[in-house]
Amino acid sequence: GESVGLHLPTLSVQEGDNSIINCAYSNSASDYFIWYKQESGKGPQFIIDIRSNMDKRQGQRVTVLLNKTVKHLSLQIAATQPGDSAVYFCAENWGTGNQFYFGTGTSLTVIP
Amino acid sequence: SQTIHQWPATLVQPVGSPLSLECTVEGTSNPNLYWYRQAAGRGLQLLFYSVGIGQISSEVPQNLSASRPQDRQFILSSKKLLLSDSGFYLCAWSVLGRAEAFFGQGTRLTVV
Repeated sequence: GESVGLHLPTLSVQEGDNSIINCAYSNSASDYFIWYKQESGKGPQFIIDIRSNMDKRQGQRVTVLLNKTVKHLSLQIAATQPGDSAVYFCAENWGTGNQFYFGTGTSLTVIP
Repeated sequence: SQTIHQWPATLVQPVGSPLSLECTVEGTSNPNLYWYRQAAGRGLQLLFYSVGIGQISSEVPQNLSASRPQDRQFILSSKKLLLSDSGFYLCAWSVLGRAEAFFGQGTRLTVV
């Protein structure tokens, strides 16, 4: 299930199950929405992006869904593996500087 | 291929001391450059971005400044560090039109 910790929301799933990580964004004018994965002590790594004129995009084991009506973004990870354990951030991309604005993040723990 | 270098990896500085963190990018020209700060267990806060040499945009008022003396060099500075400046500092680059930012490995700054 999902719970709110001291800072980051957390999600624990059994290995092999599907994971769904949710994100609410603020700027209706964002051009792109991106999901990043951050492992402890490292910089974030790009997972997948979706353009604002799309509502679904699939990658390898991941799917991003965009609902502009309610400003909601989700990341679905199929057959979650222990290596998927990390903090996941959504980000909005917009502005003259091609800026990236990050959400709070969700800590995903995969239970073997 | 493009690479981003950020140093040092860790830094412990006394309150009131100056700061200089450096970031360089290789393998691309005229990148957009970014400095982010991440407090423990929190998301990434955009501090500065730059679209070209000498062009710096500040996102939040603070005790820090940024400079871009060369196309692929981005420096984060402070004249006098505060305890609240402690955090994980990340440099990133992107190119206009691409919804992907590439991050360095980060600098963990502890102000004591």
